[in-house]
Amino acid sequence: EAEVAQSPRYKITEKSQAVAFWCDPISGHATLYWYRQILGQGPELLVQFQDESVVDDSQLPKDRFSAERLKGVDSTLKIQPAELGDSAMYLCASSLDRVTDTQYFGPGTRLTVL
Amino acid sequence: QKEVEQDPGPLSVPEGAIVSLNCTYSNSAFQYFMWYRQYSRKGPELLMYTYSSGNKEDGRFTAQVDKSSKYISLFIRDSQPSDSATYLCAMTVSGGSYIPTFGRGTSLIVHP
Repeated sequence: EAEVAQSPRYKITEKSQAVAFWCDPISGHATLYWYRQILGQGPELLVQFQDESVVDDSQLPKDRFSAERLKGVDSTLKIQPAELGDSAMYLCASSLDRVTDTQYFGPGTRLTVL
Repeated sequence: QKEVEQDPGPLSVPEGAIVSLNCTYSNSAFQYFMWYRQYSRKGPELLMYTYSSGNKEDGRFTAQVDKSSKYISLFIRDSQPSDSATYLCAMTVSGGSYIPTFGRGTSLIVHP
């Protein structure tokens, strides 16, 4: 069964350092999402891509976060500089389209900022 | 007040029990209602998906939506230790971005 791949699974960094997360969606899925899930909370959308274009990045802290999906396939989420409050699970999800199709989540990257 | 409220638990039940998980919401525009299951250190996986009010059954799982009360439920019959996970409700509006608004999740523990 096809799955969303994410790496790394765990990342520990010191504040003010740069970190990057990678996501490979299910083949053929045009829509890709990055979510942040703080421990004990539900996921919250950071950014949504349709192919290589950003559809919604209204909740992305653009002073320190950036995301790209250059060829409309895999995607990278970067944080620079990392802050203590960025410690969370970063989840990637993909779907065939952004209207009604089910979102399939990857296993996530657990980030700890010291 | 959050748009979607969900008791974080934990909810601890014996194997074989009927489990009831619930969410309330404040946005009357929500039309699509979902339940996700999330195992520890894993991403959420979609369990059930319903549109508007009514019931939907899938095996041991039943989802109920009461839009008049802004209340949704997930029932698990004959619960198993493998059902131990966090259950997240989520909902979206019709005609919008279809980005789900999630509850904080309820931790369920089914002990043998």
